Amino acid sequence: GAGVSQSPRYKVAKRGQDVALRCDPISGHVSLFWYQQALGQGPEFLTYFQNEAQLDKSGLPSDRFFAERPEGSVSTLKIQRTQQEDSAVYLCASSLYLLSGRGYEQFFGPGTRLTVL
Amino acid sequence: QQPVQSPQAVILREGEDAVINCSSSKALYSVHWYRQKHGEAPVFLMILLKGGEQKGHEKISASFNEKKQQSSLYLTASQLSYSGTYFCGTGREYGNKLVFGAGTILRVKS
Repeated sequence: GAGVSQSPRYKVAKRGQDVALRCDPISGHVSLFWYQQALGQGPEFLTYFQNEAQLDKSGLPSDRFFAERPEGSVSTLKIQRTQQEDSAVYLCASSLYLLSGRGYEQFFGPGTRLTVL
Repeated sequence: QQPVQSPQAVILREGEDAVINCSSSKALYSVHWYRQKHGEAPVFLMILLKGGEQKGHEKISASFNEKKQQSSLYLTASQLSYSGTYFCGTGREYGNKLVFGAGTILRVKS
């Protein structure tokens, strides 16, 4: 079966532009996560969805970042008025169950590499 | 708080062994290990749970010291394919998100 897919794989934006990053999770997966990965660092949590409900957005760095999952499957991460510090790889992960902390595996997509000039 | 991984990097020859450590200052319920190759998605290796349960690939072994909040990943008889960056992610019992360490870069040479 298909894994988690993300598009585009690479995005170059001029500072101030808006961007939208898409995540297609594994079919049937309840949980969906967005992470930001800076060069040479581990993934850093941004936000979490349980079906269509955004239950945790504590990791979003500013109000320029917005995520949605309106039908409980595909998710979009939108960044408004991009800044150079937004340059990073944005990873999406999905999980069949809730409560990853209890030991349920997260499946990652290949990420979108965003470069803001 | 982010778990601390050590070493930051290690170079091995094929067939050699390595240990990668992950340490947290907070009480943990689970430790998740992933390997990421350059430009690719992190790939699941193993989950260790408080109480001793483990889930993962048969050829990977790891330990979880609940008292010290530390986990170690053991890579034996390393192969070229083991090269990549290894991340540990820590989880709380009623938490959804994982908090990842900065990673350990492993390079296996022939």
